[in-house]
Amino acid sequence: DTGVSQNPRHKITKRGQNVTFRCDPISEHNRLYWYRQTLGQGPEFLTYFQNEAQLEKSRLLSDRFSAERPKGSFSTLEIQRTEQGDSAMYLCASSFHGELFFGEGSRLTVL
Amino acid sequence: GESVGLHLPTLSVQEGDNSIINCAYSNSASDYFIWYKQESGKGPQFIIDIRSNMDKRQGQRVTVLLNKTVKHLSLQIAATQPGDSAVYFCAENSQDNFNKFYFGSGTKLNVKP
Repeated sequence: DTGVSQNPRHKITKRGQNVTFRCDPISEHNRLYWYRQTLGQGPEFLTYFQNEAQLEKSRLLSDRFSAERPKGSFSTLEIQRTEQGDSAMYLCASSFHGELFFGEGSRLTVL
Repeated sequence: GESVGLHLPTLSVQEGDNSIINCAYSNSASDYFIWYKQESGKGPQFIIDIRSNMDKRQGQRVTVLLNKTVKHLSLQIAATQPGDSAVYFCAENSQDNFNKFYFGSGTKLNVKP
């Protein structure tokens, strides 16, 4: 499978714990995006990488959120001290030029 | 900020009928649009795209229409099938902010057999 891969697909955690999600983009894609999606809503932009450089961050991305793409390939999204409001689907997408190709998402439930 | 929205949150059609899903956008600088399909528990899947230098583009059973005058986008699905049941999102992008795609809240399409 050469699509965008996300792990884990589901994560249940207690409030206050840290969680990390991983995204493996399509190999030749230099652009990588993280979006968040809550029930009944469209995806909301969180952050964007071109190669290893994080070029843009949404105001939605509080200081508890950090994303990295150290070698310009896979990316991680870490949420520290999770809150119940962080419960959502976290979507990763990659592109080379044009449309975004999405992974299946990582669903986070914070109890 | 930019606003992309859909007129109808839920659309029910009979199998075999044509479906039309609408989308309004507010950023007149938007010049690239995509329709995505999202099935339950899955990530959005690309359906069709259109650039602002076109007003119509056709794919397999799908057609996207763009009316820049009224900032309106539509997705037409011909001979709707049960497998088309999903939530459909429009997303827009502009040259002056090409890092981001903005998504609407989605329309749920129910196809009745």
